[in-house]
Amino acid sequence: DADVTQTPRNRITKTGKRIMLECSQTKGHDRMYWYRQDPGLGLRLIYYSFDVKDINKGEISDGYSVSRQAQAKFSLSLESAIPNQTALYFCATSDSLGGQYTNNEQFFGPGTRLTVL
Amino acid sequence: GNSVTQMEGPVTLSEEAFLTINCTYTATGYPSLFWYVQYPGEGLQLLLKATKADDKGSNKGFEATYRKETTSFHLEKGSVQVSDSAVYFCALRGYSTLTFGKGTMLLVSP
Repeated sequence: DADVTQTPRNRITKTGKRIMLECSQTKGHDRMYWYRQDPGLGLRLIYYSFDVKDINKGEISDGYSVSRQAQAKFSLSLESAIPNQTALYFCATSDSLGGQYTNNEQFFGPGTRLTVL
Repeated sequence: GNSVTQMEGPVTLSEEAFLTINCTYTATGYPSLFWYVQYPGEGLQLLLKATKADDKGSNKGFEATYRKETTSFHLEKGSVQVSDSAVYFCALRGYSTLTFGKGTMLLVSP
């Protein structure tokens, strides 16, 4: 079984709809991240969480919200989807061994392809 | 702020050719540097990393050296294979999060 899972894997929705993307991990990591990938733009950080009570905005948080329901679960919501939110969304996790300035590897889920019509 | 610049792709090579993908960065302090690889239809996975100046990261025949004086972390492989076809991302870790480059697609033909 995959260590980082994302559901759904593909989603087509209409402008104005509320969408939730879910991420679960079995790695026991305390840090979780949401990124979006657009062609020619690489990955950009939307939100991140270093533990259940910690939520931080990333580079492009406008139009998104997140919820860290448990150490293993981190959901991304689009309250009112718009076409320019069409992208590939990735969840990632990492541990914090060694303290705040660690350089531990991030492990990525397989991605959710979201299309907003 | 932090930024990463990669050469634009696609890079097209024949099998067994030498590969270089350039990466330069701008950052305060002494960031750790990474190369991630994304195979078609998959998420990213760490390829190699270097945490301080002059460190060389290596994995699967790929290597990259952290050059502080030129703020670079170029990815190299002596002989590429068709199975190396993927998108490669250079990234740096500053205070607490990763900053990625835009990615470089590599296409290797038999």
